[in-house]
Amino acid sequence: EAGVAQSPRYKIIEKRQSVAFWCNPISGHATLYWYQQILGQGPKLLIQFQNNGVVDDSQLPKDRFSAERLKGVDSTLKIQPAKLEDSAVYLCASSSSMWGSSYNEQFFGPGTRLTVL
Amino acid sequence: GDSVTQMEGPVTLSEEAFLTINCTYTATGYPSLFWYVQYPGEGLQLLLKATKADDKGSNKGFEATYRKETTSFHLEKGSVQVSDSAVYFCALSPNSGYSTLTFGKGTMLLVSP
Repeated sequence: EAGVAQSPRYKIIEKRQSVAFWCNPISGHATLYWYQQILGQGPKLLIQFQNNGVVDDSQLPKDRFSAERLKGVDSTLKIQPAKLEDSAVYLCASSSSMWGSSYNEQFFGPGTRLTVL
Repeated sequence: GDSVTQMEGPVTLSEEAFLTINCTYTATGYPSLFWYVQYPGEGLQLLLKATKADDKGSNKGFEATYRKETTSFHLEKGSVQVSDSAVYFCALSPNSGYSTLTFGKGTMLLVSP
C-alpha cells in the first residue's frame, strides 16, 4: 500500500515570496491533516479536512496560510507572503477517522522542509 | 487545553542499555495516548498506543503503560540498539470528535555501539 506522498521535499524562498506544498493521502482515507513542525518542537496541527470540508482550522494563520482539498483527495497548503518564522517542516497525514469514532492511526508523509531567508 | 510534556534530550546511551523517556499529560476526560517515532529523514510512525487506564502498549521491544493516577505514559525498552536512534514523540488524542493529536516536543535518542 502506498504511503502519504508529499512534494517538494525541500524548498528555500525569500521572505514575502509565496510557496505551495502538495499532499496525496493514502487511498480511501477520508481525513487529511496538515501539521507545522518547527525545529525542536512537536508537530502542531494547522488544518484538518474531512473529505473536502474543513473541520478544524483554528490554528491556521489565515492572513497568510490557505489550504484546500479539492474532490476530497489531494490537498495543497499555500503560504503568501512567507515570513522568517514560517521556516519549518510541513507534515501531511491521513487517516480513516470519522467523527465520533475511536482513534484511527494517522499515517504521516516525509514532510516538506521550508527555509525562509 | 490539552498538553503533553516530555523529558528534554538528547538522551545518549550505549547499546544494550535500559531506556526510559518520561511523558506526562494534561487533558480533560480520558484521552488515548501514543508514542510516535521519527527516524532521520523519514516521517512520523506510530510506535505504540494505549486507549484506557492501565493499558500497556508494546511494539519492537518498547513498552509504555497508561497511568491515570500520575497522568503519565513513560516509554521504556530493556536493551536499546543503534538502530533505535531517532526522535520520540509522546502524544494524546481525546476519545471524541475527530481525535486530533496533541504532541510533546520530542526527545532525541542517540545510541552508540
